[in-house]
Amino acid sequence: DAGVTQSPTHLIKTRGQHVTLRCSPISGHKSVSWYQQVLGQGPQFIFQYYEKEERGRGNFPDRFSARQFPNYSSELNVNALLLGDSALYLCASSFLGFKDEKLFFGSGTQLSVL
Amino acid sequence: AQSVSQHNHHVILSEAASLELGCNYSYGGTVNLFWYVQYPGQHLQLLLKYFSGDPLVKGIKGFEAEFIKSKFSFNLRKPSVQWSDTAEYFCAVNNAGNMLTFGGGTRLMVKP
Repeated sequence: DAGVTQSPTHLIKTRGQHVTLRCSPISGHKSVSWYQQVLGQGPQFIFQYYEKEERGRGNFPDRFSARQFPNYSSELNVNALLLGDSALYLCASSFLGFKDEKLFFGSGTQLSVL
Repeated sequence: AQSVSQHNHHVILSEAASLELGCNYSYGGTVNLFWYVQYPGQHLQLLLKYFSGDPLVKGIKGFEAEFIKSKFSFNLRKPSVQWSDTAEYFCAVNNAGNMLTFGGGTRLMVKP
């Protein structure tokens, strides 16, 4: 079975640009979460979506937005990129997004902002 | 807001040595606790989790963790490490949905 897939794997952007990252959850999983992992730090929660509805949002500015599609795939959008947005962006999926569920992570998208 | 602290940023051990990685969290209510591992070149994967019941939790590959509520701790242990345990280890907590708060991680290097 395919795991969580993310695209692209690497991306280079310049300050002020916009970026869209994509995630396909494991088949059957309806919940998708996004995390930002800055080099040398642990992942930080950005968003959780379930059945196309936002279920949770972390402490990130409004430049960050996301959505989930009817096939449960998801996009993370970041506007007006800053140097500090350079990070590994991780997507994770689970069946229903309940607190006792195991999260399955993708390999991430490495974003570099120049 | 909840937070997670992992005090050991880098640990170097020889094979067969015992391992204990510290994890402390700050949150007064009921939490679920996790240890995730990231092997070189691989994605994050769950090592073990604690929700309730026996505070000593056993996970994959011989790892275990003990939840001590009075100390707000959830330390990871393994009696005898192998070279293949070289990885980065993350402690995490959640108290709502499955939105995790991660610690900063501990890089473990096991020398053969």
